[in-house]
Amino acid sequence: EAQVTQNPRYLITVTGKKLTVTCSQNMNHEYMSWYRQDPGLGLRQIYYSMNVEVTDKGDVPEGYKVSRKEKRNFPLILESPSPNQTSLYFCASSLKAGTGVSGANVLTFGAGSRLTVL
Amino acid sequence: KNEVEQSPQNLTAQEGEFITINCSYSVGISALHWLQQHPGGGIVSLFMLSSGKKKHGRLIATINIQEKHSSLHITASHPRDSAVYICAVRRYGGSQGNLIFGKGTKLSVKP
Repeated sequence: EAQVTQNPRYLITVTGKKLTVTCSQNMNHEYMSWYRQDPGLGLRQIYYSMNVEVTDKGDVPEGYKVSRKEKRNFPLILESPSPNQTSLYFCASSLKAGTGVSGANVLTFGAGSRLTVL
Repeated sequence: KNEVEQSPQNLTAQEGEFITINCSYSVGISALHWLQQHPGGGIVSLFMLSSGKKKHGRLIATINIQEKHSSLHITASHPRDSAVYICAVRRYGGSQGNLIFGKGTKLSVKP
């Protein structure tokens, strides 16, 4: 089944304890992206990757790192989590991310990861 | 001011009603996405468009590039349409991978 898989789905951690949220897709998509969703603020983009070894900041990258060493995986790293990073996180991918509205640019989302930092 | 504004924020409808959700944006865009977030939290892509109109079942999405406005219509609404509908735009030029989101419209359809 074509899908985007995020792990863990739920995590409670403490301030300063490094954690990684994994994202994997099995559709050979070039574009992958991370978002956080907070009440009253909606979805906001953290980082995105247009292809292997190509990453760029979204609107709220502070406190996060990413890497794209292989096409299928795009992990989100919180080096020193803080309580303001408590949020619902989504990973998404699409075949392409350029101009145009072909099916190649349609996004597939993971199920979400709910992170609580105490 | 947010670059992507949705209205209304909340919408309650009776089953069978025609529903319209609006999205206005202030930046140049190459594409606009309509997403649906189910009560359980999962997000599904409904439409992606840059001009004109698209239809899928009871859902219709339109966009007017000159007016920087898009609408999502649901005909013959049903309780299973209850969800949060989110508009997102992809900026024109520059960072093609950057998406900006509206805050969503929460729709509740009563039987």
